[in-house]
Amino acid sequence: QSVLTQPPSASGTPGQRVTISCSGSSSNIGSKTVNWYQQLPGTAPKLLIYTNDQRPSGVPDRFSGSKSGTSASLAISGLQSEDEADYYCATWDDSVNGWVFGGGTKLTVL
Amino acid sequence: EVQLVESGGGLVQPGGSLRLSCAVSGFTFSSYWMHWVRQAPGKGLVWVSRINSEGSSTNYADSVKGRFTISRDNAKNTLYLQMNSLRAEDTAVYYCARSGYSTSGGYYFGMDVWGQGTTVTVSS
Repeated sequence: QSVLTQPPSASGTPGQRVTISCSGSSSNIGSKTVNWYQQLPGTAPKLLIYTNDQRPSGVPDRFSGSKSGTSASLAISGLQSEDEADYYCATWDDSVNGWVFGGGTKLTVL
Repeated sequence: EVQLVESGGGLVQPGGSLRLSCAVSGFTFSSYWMHWVRQAPGKGLVWVSRINSEGSSTNYADSVKGRFTISRDNAKNTLYLQMNSLRAEDTAVYYCARSGYSTSGGYYFGMDVWGQGTTVTVSS
């Protein structure tokens, strides 16, 4: 069981907007910032969003992040076939004194 | 170009030991905190350990505490993970990752650049 809760799957058609949620608690998301990672099949994870809503250079503005209370969300607009991947949220947790990841959400582009 | 290249993975028997290395280039290694993250076959990402830039402060996941040791050699631009008393459940791809740093905010925000990973299999 992951400390952060994500839906195991999500889907959308090309051009659609999809959101992926990440639920935590006061010891993690509620008091810390959240990162999002994209993992394409057979590759290493890639940083997509950091500090809740910041995009590293090179990440398209179709990807956006937000946080409210003990939950965070990743939104992908203008869905493309190459967005099909696993997505993970992550943050520091004061209770375990370490980084924690969500269980991951497998995004399928129909 | 920032690069992180892991090595040292392989097949080891339960109870055995292995040392992973992560050679970095393209950035000032001695200025960055570093992490190890693992991923069991078909499973999600799990944080293992982190070390500060000087090597004087470390943190571990409960699942590896007392068995794994993270260290670094800033002169050799290399990060290490010494793994002892290995168990079947330690079987995974192990990634090293740099801790990103926000210059505008003055804080580390977690893993920003990742290596390609090295595979560790614990089996008899």
